[in-house]
Amino acid sequence: GENVEQHPSTLSVQEGDSAVIKCTYSDSASNYFPWYKQELGKRPQLIIDIRSNVGEKKDQRIAVTLNKTAKHFSLHITETQPEDSAVYFCAASIRYGAGSYQLTFGKGTKLSVIP
Amino acid sequence: EAQVTQNPRYLITVTGKKLTVTCSQNMNHEYMSWYRQDPGLGLRQIYYSMNVEVTDKGDVPEGYKVSRKEKRNFPLILESPSPNQTSLYFCASSLSAPRVEQYFGPGTRLTVT
Repeated sequence: GENVEQHPSTLSVQEGDSAVIKCTYSDSASNYFPWYKQELGKRPQLIIDIRSNVGEKKDQRIAVTLNKTAKHFSLHITETQPEDSAVYFCAASIRYGAGSYQLTFGKGTKLSVIP
Repeated sequence: EAQVTQNPRYLITVTGKKLTVTCSQNMNHEYMSWYRQDPGLGLRQIYYSMNVEVTDKGDVPEGYKVSRKEKRNFPLILESPSPNQTSLYFCASSLSAPRVEQYFGPGTRLTVT
């Protein structure tokens, strides 16, 4: 099946700096790549996603880039704020014949933004 | 209010005692799935369902069962729980295949002693 590797596992940045989290996937058939944010004690929530026919997508301070050739995608957060502190998960969605889809997550990155 | 609900939210049980965690969504979503979250391992998919009466194994299905008799409900069944199933469980749903936003339930903290 699909394998998603995520790095780093922990990341500390000063408030106002940028943060970058990287993920690689193994199956070239994967075609959808979401990012989820999980605050402490809460459920994961989608913050941005990208499909395989797009190379980059932005939403205010958040951007995601996708390199299909290298099979990696990255989350970029600019001008970080303390409320960005959370665990971030990348994921990849792959189709397994006859319309069956599976979503595989990375192991997560704990981002700490230091005021 | 559009939401995914899970019950119970917390459960402490003993090895071998069958249990069911319910999951329900009111958004008419076709795709539903179960994940377990363990420290350092992220979210791992247990089972998923593309629609009523259609279920498939995820990455870690051993020791679990599911059913999808109605579109809104997707219960997770542990026939004979073991301590290694102690975990935080999330149910999630989406309008169609998981190529759109997944809406997660609040989570169920399960402890098996």
